[in-house]
Amino acid sequence: QKEVEQDPGPLSVPEGAIVSLNCTYSNSAFQYFMWYRQYSRKGPELLMYTYSSGNKEDGRFTAQVDKSSKYISLFIRDSQPSDSATYLCAILFTGKLIFGQGTTLQVKP
Amino acid sequence: KAGVTQTPRYLIKTRGQQVTLSCSPISGHRSVSWYQQTPGQGLQFLFEYFSETQRNKGNFPGRFSGRQFSNSRSEMNVSTLELGDSALYLCASSNGQGGTEAFFGQGTRLTVV
Repeated sequence: QKEVEQDPGPLSVPEGAIVSLNCTYSNSAFQYFMWYRQYSRKGPELLMYTYSSGNKEDGRFTAQVDKSSKYISLFIRDSQPSDSATYLCAILFTGKLIFGQGTTLQVKP
Repeated sequence: KAGVTQTPRYLIKTRGQQVTLSCSPISGHRSVSWYQQTPGQGLQFLFEYFSETQRNKGNFPGRFSGRQFSNSRSEMNVSTLELGDSALYLCASSNGQGGTEAFFGQGTRLTVV
């Protein structure tokens, strides 16, 4: 079993839709949860990070962690074509990032 | 503030050769981590250097090695290249103080033929 599981998609939505991206993880000791966005031919860019449980909001993006079910979510409101990218969940543990496989998102105008 | 710089951006090497990749972290950052990204395995941690010392290591064979210089710049070396080493190699820099914010470079695309 992988430490972090993420559905690779692809996920295609119309512009303006609410997007939900999800990951599950296996180790209850994990505390730092990140979401990265990666455009084609670019390195990953940190979107948000959350420590322990709860929600964190930044503009159109909301990150949510449910430690009881070992579930991480990223919600994108009012999605735009410029949000089309691969979204990677990651967990920082013992000094290294453990990534999910990444979900490819396409937002159609 | 300049970002993380990786050179070269693209490389084509022959099986059996060796290769060296370079990473210049954000000014003031003392930690440099290296990751390999492939379509099949995704992003996988190679190793981390902090203040010229390897602080963390992933599950890669000994053909993969690295080092960090006193100015925090880092190099990664892969010897005896195999076709399966073809990947995007990414470098990330952080302040290294249990820092949660790691900033990635654009990567070096290595193709082994």
